[in-house]
Amino acid sequence: EPEVTQTPSHQVTQMGQEVILRCVPISNHLYFYWYRQILGQKVEFLVSFYNNEISEKSEIFDDQFSVERPDGSNFTLKIRSTKLEDSAMYFCASSDWEGVYNEQFFGPGTRLTVL
Amino acid sequence: GENVEQHPSTLSVQEGDSAVIKCTYSDSASNYFPWYKQELGKRPQLIIDIRSNVGEKKDQRIAVTLNKTAKHFSLHITETQPEDSAVYFCAATGTYKYIFGTGTRLKVLA
Repeated sequence: EPEVTQTPSHQVTQMGQEVILRCVPISNHLYFYWYRQILGQKVEFLVSFYNNEISEKSEIFDDQFSVERPDGSNFTLKIRSTKLEDSAMYFCASSDWEGVYNEQFFGPGTRLTVL
Repeated sequence: GENVEQHPSTLSVQEGDSAVIKCTYSDSASNYFPWYKQELGKRPQLIIDIRSNVGEKKDQRIAVTLNKTAKHFSLHITETQPEDSAVYFCAATGTYKYIFGTGTRLKVLA
């Protein structure tokens, strides 16, 4: 069964550094998402992406964040200048929206630790 | 804004008993309600979902009910087993994004 994959599984960075988190969505999916989960808390929506543009973003997704689909398979999340509070698990998801219903498949996550 | 409330935050049951987790959503445009199980350090895994045109759905020991009028939906696990121990998240969506509940940590005691 196809799965969403993410790399790296764990990223450690210094505060102020840029990080890029990578995702390979399921191949025939058209909708892509990033979520984050701070340790012990709920999963929070960051951004959705369709047809090479952002379709929706949350208040968390400020100017420090950007997303890109650089080629036909990868989907990336960039954090330009990391802060301590960016430490979280970041999940990528993808979906092939069936009419009005939206079943999303999650990747294994990248644990980002900002020191 | 959109919100999903989930109760209880923790739930301990004896093996073989039933567990019920309840969620309430605020956005009346929500039309799809998935439930995810998350084991420690792992990705959320979809265990069951329900669409807005259905009131109940069952898959072996797991069932979900939806009351659109009250904006409530619930997860029911019967004959619980130790491997059911995990954090369970409900979610609601009517657009591109999932709004997740705060999670329920289920412990099944052997």
